[in-house]
Amino acid sequence: QKEVEQNSGPLSVPEGAIASLNCTYSDRGSQSFFWYRQYSGKSPELIMSIYSNGDKEDGRFTAQLNKASQYVSLLIRDSQPSDSATYLCAVSSSNTGKLIFGQGTTLQVKP
Amino acid sequence: DGGITQSPKYLFRKEGQNVTLSCEQNLNHDAMYWYRQDPGQGLRLIYYSQIVNDFQKGDIAEGYSVSREKKESFPLTVTSAQKNPTAFYLCASSDRLRLRYEQYFGPGTRLTVT
Repeated sequence: QKEVEQNSGPLSVPEGAIASLNCTYSDRGSQSFFWYRQYSGKSPELIMSIYSNGDKEDGRFTAQLNKASQYVSLLIRDSQPSDSATYLCAVSSSNTGKLIFGQGTTLQVKP
Repeated sequence: DGGITQSPKYLFRKEGQNVTLSCEQNLNHDAMYWYRQDPGQGLRLIYYSQIVNDFQKGDIAEGYSVSREKKESFPLTVTSAQKNPTAFYLCASSDRLRLRYEQYFGPGTRLTVT
């Protein structure tokens, strides 16, 4: 069974700090990696995609991928209360486009 | 304005009734997906379709059925055979070739069965 694992949290950080969210996956053949943000009661919103080893930055967000260690992480710099949400890691490993989702990490940014 | 629409936003049904959830997209995406989310849980794949007139079962297809007669539409029927139908249902679509499987979600339908 292919799995994606995340710490459910909650992860609590003060406003302005760096929030670090981690995700591990079991399928070494995985090729595409995504981070979604989901506010309470809403649908997931894609915030980052990463396909090759290393870092990818987009504004305050940085995704990091290490295929050898089978983990992907999301860093949020200068965290804001509006970043408080559940962050879902998703991994695709086949040509079907199917994504396997982790259970999500709840982030709380305290003013 | 491109996007994915799901209707209705909230749906209430009695046990034993079939119910159909609507999903429409105008993004010209080939692939469409249905997920279910239970409180505190990740997303679980119910059905997916990569092209018109073709679809495959996901991880939890029992008690559900779909059709894909048009590229823009992928309705999901929750049948009376589904034992625990109360959940948040999410439809997604992707352009498999151009976007490398990035999936975009509709706003969801919250189904309550009593």
